Amino acid sequence: GAGVSQSPSNKVTEKGKDVELRCDPISGHTALYWYRQSLGQGLEFLIYFQGNSAPDKSGLPSDRFSAERTGGSVSTLTIQRTQQEDSAVYLCASSLAGATSNEQFFGPGTRLTVL
Amino acid sequence: EDQVTQSPEALRLQEGESSSLNCSYTVSGLRGLFWYRQDPGKGPEFLFTLYSAGEEKEKERLKATLTKKESFLHITAPKPEDSATYLCAVQARGRDDKIIFGKGTRLHILP
Repeated sequence: GAGVSQSPSNKVTEKGKDVELRCDPISGHTALYWYRQSLGQGLEFLIYFQGNSAPDKSGLPSDRFSAERTGGSVSTLTIQRTQQEDSAVYLCASSLAGATSNEQFFGPGTRLTVL
Repeated sequence: EDQVTQSPEALRLQEGESSSLNCSYTVSGLRGLFWYRQDPGKGPEFLFTLYSAGEEKEKERLKATLTKKESFLHITAPKPEDSATYLCAVQARGRDDKIIFGKGTRLHILP
């Protein structure tokens, strides 16, 4: 079956513009994670959804970042008033259930470049 | 504070030269420790989950082991196609959400 997909694969934007990143998880996966990976760095946890709810939003770097998930499926990560330090690869992952199934399936990521 | 440290940052080996990658962790009650492989330009690919000290798992030329403070990823007689970045991550007990990743070890196997 299809894996996790993300769009766009690449996004170049100007400082101050808003961007929206999309993640389509594997069908039936209730848990969804967003991570950020900067050059040469590990994955930085941003936010986790179980179904449509995100119990902990403290991983989001600033109030310019927001995420939502509708219908327990597609998720969007929105970055408002982008800054150059937001440039990174944004990865999405899904799993069957956050509590019991620990294997996360990752998408290919969205490479964001803020000029 | 929960933390994951991987060493070395980078490792170059000759084909067939076995070695080990280290993942040291501190976590308030370990639910699980994970190893992933990441190729350039791609998302991480799941390798193993370890749950308790003394546990070992194997897959082809890779074997992961776990103690109360660290995990090792042993690579036996590696091949050039094993070249990748290997990521370690931990999940704390009672925390369904947050998973903490290390910065990874970049492994390069020379033919």
